[in-house]
Amino acid sequence: LAKTTQPISMDSYEGQEVNITCSHNNIATNDYITWYQQFPSQGPRFIIQGYKTKVTNEVASLFIPADRKSSTLSLPRVSLSDTAVYYCLVGGGYNQGGKLIFGQGTELSVKP
Amino acid sequence: DTAVSQTPKYLVTQMGNDKSIKCEQNLGHDTMYWYKQDSKKFLKIMFSYNNKELIINETVPNRFSPKSPDKAHLNLHINSLELGDSAVYFCASSQDAIRASGGQETQYFGPGTRLLVL
Repeated sequence: LAKTTQPISMDSYEGQEVNITCSHNNIATNDYITWYQQFPSQGPRFIIQGYKTKVTNEVASLFIPADRKSSTLSLPRVSLSDTAVYYCLVGGGYNQGGKLIFGQGTELSVKP
Repeated sequence: DTAVSQTPKYLVTQMGNDKSIKCEQNLGHDTMYWYKQDSKKFLKIMFSYNNKELIINETVPNRFSPKSPDKAHLNLHINSLELGDSAVYFCASSQDAIRASGGQETQYFGPGTRLLVL
């Protein structure tokens, strides 16, 4: 399973765009990249998933360069309620039987 | 209306006791999971069942035994509880183990059960 590396913590202010980058140098050809969000005292929640280039949904965008060795989660105009831990996961597809491996995550703190 | 529910929410018990945590999902999913999150916030998968069949069984002490009476339920029984078992245990479910495209299925997590062993 590909190991992921993310910043341990980030600070931002309300209204700013936040970009969290994840490194996954040994990503396999069949691996997808998935991001989850976890609020205090809650279970993780799916945010977005992608394989290559750019994926956008109502919550976030995911940018994946051509070599796929990293990915960037972009949160537009964050609010206080976006304060959470964000996990980048790679793999879990056919090769790993759907198994998700969570890293340490990035603790995002949004300030007023 | 809760998609994935767990009971109890909090569990405080003595070392050596046996306890169970129950999980139910009303999403019609075929796959269910148990995760453990320790004090350092690392979330580690323990078990996964697909259509009541065990498909993921990580390196977990034999004191932990999952049981899936049907697709909507996955319970976790823990024997002879130890101090190191103190953690938050999350149940999750997904439509299937893997998407048709090959990527991971979206997993829906329950609210967690906070276990404290004294």
